[in-house]
Amino acid sequence: KNQVEQSPQSLIILEGKNCTLQCNYTVSPFSNLRWYKQDTGRGPVSLTIMTFSENTKSNGRYTATLDADTKQSSLHITASQLSDSASYICVVSAEGGSTLGRLYFGRGTQLTVWP
Amino acid sequence: NAGVMQNPRHLVRRRGQEARLRCSPMKGHSHVYWYRQLPEEGLKFMVYLQKENIIDESGMPKERFSAEFPKEGPSILRIQQVVRGDSAAYFCASSRMSDKPREHSEQYFGPGTRLTVT
Repeated sequence: KNQVEQSPQSLIILEGKNCTLQCNYTVSPFSNLRWYKQDTGRGPVSLTIMTFSENTKSNGRYTATLDADTKQSSLHITASQLSDSASYICVVSAEGGSTLGRLYFGRGTQLTVWP
Repeated sequence: NAGVMQNPRHLVRRRGQEARLRCSPMKGHSHVYWYRQLPEEGLKFMVYLQKENIIDESGMPKERFSAEFPKEGPSILRIQQVVRGDSAAYFCASSRMSDKPREHSEQYFGPGTRLTVT
């Protein structure tokens, strides 16, 4: 069964601190993995996208890693800001066949940054 | 270039009424996807459409739900005879035609329509 599991479910950190969010998946055949940021009341916005051959990708203070062998990904946020408070969603895309382009969403990690 | 537009942003319906949710894709995008997000849940795929065609509706309930993406105008997600369990946020995403036959292009999400059934 194609699934995406994220941890922790929620996280509270102080402004300026770093944090790491985890994502494990069982989606197969794997196409790519994306991290989205979803602010309350808004649609998800893409942060990074990684294919099978990519181990790490950065977007400003966001750095995503991918281990396709263990089917794990992480999103590291450096020097957190209040505006980072949001839900971070791991999304895995399946490749071809009956699951062409299907996106599998994790439940998200709700990050709260306190001043 | 405006992003994906959804309206209404909030919709309240009584049980048994019909709900119509609209999605205008980004300019140049010919693919539309609908997702449902229940409280405390992740987004769940419902249906994937191209202009005038339903490509994959395997995530959509067999009864009461339908979707269309006409040649002209927005994509419509229609829910007939709504029930309380239909209360959720419904997100639309759009993408270009992919240049890779086995992959979809990047999807851009709209702000969502929050449906409340009373």
